[in-house]
Amino acid sequence: GDSVTQMEGPVTLSEEAFLTINCTYTATGYPSLFWYVQYPGEGLQLLLKATKADDKGSNKGFEATYRKETTSFHLEKGSVQVSDSAVYFCALQGRNTGFQKLVFGTGTRLLVSP
Amino acid sequence: GAGVSQSPSNKVTEKGKDVELRCDPISGHTALYWYRQSLGQGLEFLIYFQGNSAPDKSGLPSDRFSAERTGGSVSTLTIQRTQQEDSAVYLCASSLEGGRGGYTFGSGTRLTVV
Repeated sequence: GDSVTQMEGPVTLSEEAFLTINCTYTATGYPSLFWYVQYPGEGLQLLLKATKADDKGSNKGFEATYRKETTSFHLEKGSVQVSDSAVYFCALQGRNTGFQKLVFGTGTRLLVSP
Repeated sequence: GAGVSQSPSNKVTEKGKDVELRCDPISGHTALYWYRQSLGQGLEFLIYFQGNSAPDKSGLPSDRFSAERTGGSVSTLTIQRTQQEDSAVYLCASSLEGGRGGYTFGSGTRLTVV
C-alpha cells in the first residue's frame, strides 16, 4: 500500500538557519503530494502541495519539489524563524485509495531557537 | 462555517464509558474524514464520508468505533466502552469532492481515558 517516510525529529535549529526535512514515498502511479504544518495547540494546516512530477510547491518561504525519480518531496526553507516551530507532516493522495484519502508520515517536529 | 469545528476540545472519560465526538465541516464540503493522532504516531485514518455514498470504514480499529454523518453535514464519532489505548487526539477534516486540493482540518478533540 501507499506509505510516507519522514526523517525522525526533533530538528533543532537556530534562527536564520537552512531547513531540510526529508520525505520519501511509496505509491503506484503519480500521487499528489502535500506538506501540512501543525502549530502547538492547533489543527493541521495545508502548507504546500504538488500534483505532478517536477512541480514545485511553495508557501511562506517553504518549498518542496516533486521528484519522481527519487520518490521524494523534501521540505526546505532558506532561513527559519522562531515562529516556524511546529510539527510538519508529509502526505500523499494516491491511486490506491482513489485519490480520496490522505496517507501521512509520522511528522517531524521543528524547534527554532532565537 | 468558516472552518471545521470540533467539540469538545478536550474530553476526559473513565475506562468503559462511551464518548461522542462532534465535527461540523465547512459548508459545501461534501467529503469528511476522521483521523486519530496518537503520541509518537502519525495520523491514522479512521473513516471517510463522501456525499451520499456508503462511508469508507476501513480504518476503524475495532467494532467499538462507529461514525455517522447526518444530512451530509455534521458528523459524530462514537467510541463505546473506551479503553486507555483510545487516548489520542481525534482530528476531523473536510474537503470538496475528491479532496485533491487538500483538506481543511479542525483543531481536534483530545481524548484521555483514565
